[in-house]
Amino acid sequence: KAGVTQTPRYLIKTRGQQVTLSCSPISGHRSVSWYQQTPGQGLQFLFEYFSETQRNKGNFPGRFSGRQFSNSRSEMNVSTLELGDSALYLCASSEGSSYNEQFFGPGTRLTVL
Amino acid sequence: QKEVEQDPGPLSVPEGAIVSLNCTYSNSAFQYFMWYRQYSRKGPELLMYTYSSGNKEDGRFTAQVDKSSKYISLFIRDSQPSDSATYLCAMTTQGAQKLVFGQGTRLTINP
Repeated sequence: KAGVTQTPRYLIKTRGQQVTLSCSPISGHRSVSWYQQTPGQGLQFLFEYFSETQRNKGNFPGRFSGRQFSNSRSEMNVSTLELGDSALYLCASSEGSSYNEQFFGPGTRLTVL
Repeated sequence: QKEVEQDPGPLSVPEGAIVSLNCTYSNSAFQYFMWYRQYSRKGPELLMYTYSSGNKEDGRFTAQVDKSSKYISLFIRDSQPSDSATYLCAMTTQGAQKLVFGQGTRLTINP
């Protein structure tokens, strides 16, 4: 099976812009979770989608949003970018049942100037 | 205080040594425990997955969970230079997909 794929791999934006990141989960996986990784805060949970519905949400401002499509692919959007949003954004997929193994993609490295 | 505490290291050991990595946690509701390995500029790779207390072995890797002490460990036997990476512990509650991660321990195995 192909792994989790994320596009784009690298992105440079300026403050105030918005950005959309994409994630394709492992075939058959219905849950997609998003995480932000920074040197200072480590890996932090953003949100999780299952069957096109947001099922869990972390402690991030409303500028961070996401959605999931009927084919389980997911996108996350960050509006009004701030310098502190520079991070590695990771997507993880799982089957979505009570079995919780999550498999991560390579991430999208976002730099905000 | 963070829910999951992990010594960030760095930890440097000679090739062939036994490596011990640890995490402590405060939330007694955590029931699923994982160890991920992350190479530089890559996404985390799932190494071990354990439910509740006990030991699990996979090749050179052994994961231990002691829920009474809220303490988990990962042991690497016969360590290799290719094991050099950051090791992250993660945990979650029953039925949840939200993983709570430790800070990660940067490990270097010296030839």
